[in-house]
Amino acid sequence: AQRVTQPEKLLSVFKGAPVELKCNYSYSGSPELFWYVQYSRQRLQLLLRHISRESIKGFTADLNKGETSFHLKKPFAQEEDSAMYYCALSGPRVQGAQKLVFGQGTRLTINP
Amino acid sequence: NAGVTQTPKFQVLKTGQSMTLQCAQDMNHEYMSWYRQDPGMGLRLIHYSVGAGITDQGEVPNGYNVSRSTTEDFPLRLLSAAPSQTSVYFCASSYSGNTNEKLFFGSGTQLSVL
Repeated sequence: AQRVTQPEKLLSVFKGAPVELKCNYSYSGSPELFWYVQYSRQRLQLLLRHISRESIKGFTADLNKGETSFHLKKPFAQEEDSAMYYCALSGPRVQGAQKLVFGQGTRLTINP
Repeated sequence: NAGVTQTPKFQVLKTGQSMTLQCAQDMNHEYMSWYRQDPGMGLRLIHYSVGAGITDQGEVPNGYNVSRSTTEDFPLRLLSAAPSQTSVYFCASSYSGNTNEKLFFGSGTQLSVL
């Protein structure tokens, strides 16, 4: 079964400090992994996906299959990074569609 | 483009009442889905659809019905609301439902069942 675990419900760091939001997954196949973000009063939106190997808003995430992790990192936090972050996992298509499984979410607060 | 539109934004129901949460998208997406968001539990998939006339259950389908008569619309029905259905509901869509596609989300419906 697919499962995503974000061990930290709340994370608070100071502006300019490094940020790491943890995500661990359980899946027997080759996963597709994503980070979604929900800023205050905005819609949930895709931040980045592992297949793209991109950096968005200074965030990166590396898939570590050995540790089954997909942690989100940013070297220098900014106040506008304060938001709710969800890690999500998608396995193979089942009956024609993906089933995206989300973690519990981590609320990140950047203190000035 | 409006993207994914959900109505209403807020709703209060009494136990046993029925209602329909509306979801519409104008991006010609084949895949549409409903999630509920609960504190400490993240988002959980309720039902999804890969095209008009095709629906299937997600992780937490009990107490909810869906139908997909058009590509644009994917309403979620609560036939007899229960307090356990108090939650924030999100509709999401993607072009075809491929595993590496991003989901476009609506703004959510906050539902309270008393």
